[in-house]
Amino acid sequence: QVQLEESGPGLVKPSGTLSLTCAVSGDSISSRNWWSWVRQPPGKGLEWIGEIYHSGSTNYNPSLKSRVTISVDKSKNQFSLKLSSVTAADTAVYYCASESQDSSGSHGAFDIWGQGTMVTVSS
Amino acid sequence: DIVMTQTPLSSPVTLGQPASISCRSSQSLVHSDGNTYLSWLQQRPGQPPRLLIYKISNRFSGVPDRFTGSGAGTDFTLRISRVEAEDVGVYYCMQATQFPLYTFGQGTKLQIK
Repeated sequence: QVQLEESGPGLVKPSGTLSLTCAVSGDSISSRNWWSWVRQPPGKGLEWIGEIYHSGSTNYNPSLKSRVTISVDKSKNQFSLKLSSVTAADTAVYYCASESQDSSGSHGAFDIWGQGTMVTVSS
Repeated sequence: DIVMTQTPLSSPVTLGQPASISCRSSQSLVHSDGNTYLSWLQQRPGQPPRLLIYKISNRFSGVPDRFTGSGAGTDFTLRISRVEAEDVGVYYCMQATQFPLYTFGQGTKLQIK
């Protein structure tokens, strides 16, 4: 069973860069197609940030595209998120998630989630 | 962007009674491949989201059969036949039809009366 675990600094200064890693365990990162980042500001709803294919292709939310970079490291079985020029509005719990699929293709739904990591943007 | 609108935003329910949450999309969620990529997630307090339903009505592995998804086009519903204490949390609908931009509803808070 695939499991995900986020890691990274819990505090980032305004105008700095938020950097998080999602470690994949239980199977190869190549076992599934798309790997995503989703965030949730305190007391608010979910926002999809972007995704990466195990081969390295990426898609980003247009609202964040200019500041987001998602990368994959197959040798370490992990993928990462970088969000630049952060402000207080980027304070949130950041989740990594994996898209459900079977032999017929994608289900268009996230069936595996990490526990999430809280990132606060503050000086 | 496809906007997902859930109603109600809060739903007090008596244990053992049914509950229903509606989700409406700003445009049809029927994909060109014929599928409708509408899913439902449950988020219990302090927990990450959990997948309940995918492609409108497919119950995910391990999800109790008291959870049922239905709908078509732009209107979708999640029904809980008999609410249990463990069902307390926030429920989100999500669309993946407009790949590669996924959007969520605002969330519906289910609480016990």
